[in-house]
Order: sequence, then structure tokens, then C-alpha cells
Amino acid sequence: DAGVIQSPRHEVTEMGQEVTLRCKPISGHDYLFWYRQTMMRGLELLIYFNNNVPIDDSGMPEDRFSAKMPNASFSTLKIQPSEPRDSAVYFCASSDRKGTGHNSPLHFGNGTRLTVT
Amino acid sequence: DQQVKQNSPSLSVQEGRISILNCDYTNSMFDYFLWYKKYPAEGPTFLISISSIKDKNEDGRFTVFLNKSAKHLSLHIVPSQPGDSAVYFCAASEKTSYDKVIFGPGTSLSVIP
Repeated sequence: DAGVIQSPRHEVTEMGQEVTLRCKPISGHDYLFWYRQTMMRGLELLIYFNNNVPIDDSGMPEDRFSAKMPNASFSTLKIQPSEPRDSAVYFCASSDRKGTGHNSPLHFGNGTRLTVT
Repeated sequence: DQQVKQNSPSLSVQEGRISILNCDYTNSMFDYFLWYKKYPAEGPTFLISISSIKDKNEDGRFTVFLNKSAKHLSLHIVPSQPGDSAVYFCAASEKTSYDKVIFGPGTSLSVIP
């Protein structure tokens, strides 16, 4: 059973470039989350979707960040333009919360390590 | 302003002994709490959870204790094993917004053989 798949695993880019991170959630899961991990702030929730609809994007740091979920099996997180302070590990997670599974745990991908120089 | 705090960035414990990882929270609306474990180069994985209606939940070597009045929870690992060496994240969600899971900064546990 495939877990959450993120690509690429590593991304190195120059300041000002556009970066797109990709995520394939576990099939059948109805929630998808994007988190960012940094040394200073730990794991921050950026945005999450329910049935492909963005529910809460209050964690998105700036307008330079955008996320989409065009269908149940794919989501992207885009940073345009990228800055050195965006360097972090970005995690995607999905969860099956249909019915009463409100507290169903999150299943994380292995993350994308982004370095902006 | 962090709503979930883990004030010990790291912890070292001898194999076979008890590991106690602590977590404090500030949001009184939190009523569901979780612990996740993370190995290097992997994503966090769910370990154990507890609802605010309980003060203890046990799963094998792992026990989580919740003290609502102190807004404090702890994870006990007994006995600790070298394979338990990882970063442990405390997380919480509100009654009105279970979907939104807020994580603490993590505690790195090293179990020394």
C-alpha cells in the first residue's frame, strides 16, 4: 500500500526562481495538509484541503505561496518568487476523516528539502 | 506565539530506562492530543493519542498522561530501546476544529545502548 508520495525529495534553486512541490495523497483519503519544518518554528501548518477544497490557508506565510488540489490524487505547493528564508523541509500529509474519523491520524510523506540560495 | 511547546530540544536516556518527554499547551480549546515520531529523512508517523476526557492512554511501551488543569502532557516510554531514538512531536487539535492539527517544535530523543 503506497503511502503519501512527495516529489522532488530535494530541490535547490536560486532566489527569485519559481518552485513547485508535488504531493500524491493516499488513495481514498479526504484531507490533505501541507506543513513546513524549520529549526526555529518546528512543524507549521501552511494549508489544508477537504475533498480538494482549501479549508484554511491562514498558515501560508505570504502571497508568494500558493497551493492547489485539482483532483483527489494530486496537490501542488508553489513558491514564486522563492527567497532564501523559504529554505525548509516541506511535508505533505493526508488523512481519512470521512464519517466520524475526525481524529484519524495524519500520514506524512517523506518531505521535500528545499534550499534557496 | 507557539500554542504547543516542547521545552526540551533534546533528551538522552540509557537503554532499558524510562524516557519522559514533556509537552505544554496554551490553548484551552485543545481537547485532542497526539504524539508523532520522526526518523531522519522520513516524515512523522503517528504514535499515540489521548482525548481530553481521559488522563491516561497506554499502548505497549508507550503511555501518554494528560493533566488538563496544568495544560501539560507527557509521553513515557518504558523500557527505552535504541530504536526509539528519534524526534518526538507533540500535537493538538481543538474541539471546534479537529481538522487543524498544531504541532510543537519536537524533542530529539537519544537512547544509548
